[in-house]
Amino acid sequence: QKEVEQDPGPLSVPEGAIVSLNCTYSNSAFQYFMWYRQYSRKGPELLMYTYSSGNKEDGRFTAQVDKSSKYISLFIRDSQPSDSATYLCAMNPNQAGTALIFGKGTTLSVSS
Amino acid sequence: NAGVTQTPKFRILKIGQSMTLQCTQDMNHNYMYWYRQDPGMGLKLIYYSVGAGITDKGEVPNGYNVSRSTTEDFPLRLELAAPSQTSVYFCASSSDRVGYGYTFGSGTRLTVV
Repeated sequence: QKEVEQDPGPLSVPEGAIVSLNCTYSNSAFQYFMWYRQYSRKGPELLMYTYSSGNKEDGRFTAQVDKSSKYISLFIRDSQPSDSATYLCAMNPNQAGTALIFGKGTTLSVSS
Repeated sequence: NAGVTQTPKFRILKIGQSMTLQCTQDMNHNYMYWYRQDPGMGLKLIYYSVGAGITDKGEVPNGYNVSRSTTEDFPLRLELAAPSQTSVYFCASSSDRVGYGYTFGSGTRLTVV
């Protein structure tokens, strides 16, 4: 089993839809959870981060972490064409000698 | 603020050639990383550094070398390029080990033919 699993999609939705993106993981040592957004031919940029379990909201975006199920989610409300990008989940156990481990990314397309 | 600057943006190499991918950051970050991204495969860690003079291997280090002589620079060296090294390479930096947001460069697209 890979450490971080993410469905690559692609996912296509109409403008205004609610989008749910998910990752599962196997390492219970992960404590820090992040979502990065990557536009075509660009580097990833941090969108949201969460420590341990719980929810975090920022505008139209909500990140959820369920450590008991080893499952994280990103919800996008009122999706816009500008949200069309690849979304990568990333996790870090915050231990010496470690770095962020990324999921494969889910490609999202929002049509107007 | 320039952030993380990678050069070149594109490069075509012949099998067996060598090259250095440059990475410079101006945020005084101690932690720097090299990742490669292949289609549908996400980001794989090649090497990372926790400070000047300190480097360590990531998940896919074979065929690459790094050095970190200054806080700002973290070049990635490819020796004897192979087609399997065709990829997009991203350099990133962060101020702490947790990585409350890596800052990524814009990437180098490398093709080995």
